[in-house]
Amino acid sequence: GQNIDQPTEMTATEGAIVQINCTYQTSGFNGLFWYQQHAGEAPTFLSYNVLDGLEEKGRFSSFLSRSKGYSYLLLKELQMKDSASYLCAVKKAGTALIFGKGTTLSVSS
Amino acid sequence: DAGVTQSPTHLIKTRGQQVTLRCSPKSGHDTVSWYQQALGQGPQFIFQYYEEEERQRGNFPDRFSGHQFPNYSSELNVNALLLGDSALYLCASSSGLARYEQYFGPGTRLTVT
Repeated sequence: GQNIDQPTEMTATEGAIVQINCTYQTSGFNGLFWYQQHAGEAPTFLSYNVLDGLEEKGRFSSFLSRSKGYSYLLLKELQMKDSASYLCAVKKAGTALIFGKGTTLSVSS
Repeated sequence: DAGVTQSPTHLIKTRGQQVTLRCSPKSGHDTVSWYQQALGQGPQFIFQYYEEEERQRGNFPDRFSGHQFPNYSSELNVNALLLGDSALYLCASSSGLARYEQYFGPGTRLTVT
């Protein structure tokens, strides 16, 4: 079977740091993705991890531990425009992505 | 450089009808995947097309079918529409089966009444 879990909602204030966790159990693993999706819009690619460790890209970082089936997305210096849904997705064989339900992040001033 | 485009933007259909959604991949991409996203949920994989053939399929009934054309554009067809088919339908393109990054189109919002 396959299961991807992430918190439903999170709140934070401008300038803060927030960590969105994702745990997964899948038959087959070929990488983990994080996407950002604003309401009514298409998901946009944020990060990709296939090896254990931390990948940093500007204000966003993503971490993967394959042995623990665990990843997190770290957002620093939060801005109002970061209010969105954050989707964790696992890539299996081929290019099909298996998505979690998403975490809705609300950033307040 | 045009990204992934989809048409129409919105569509309203009645139960039992049939619908066709269209997708043009990003320039240089030859692989198209379709996803269904219900309100408040993550996208669910429907199927993927490469070289005009269905290469992978998710857990969707045969009412969902597709096609890829020689110019790499793709269609998603849904027959005998149910109320539960109401969702945002997303098309994603990538370059080859081995490439990891998928670019999503803006989606088609389908409402079945």
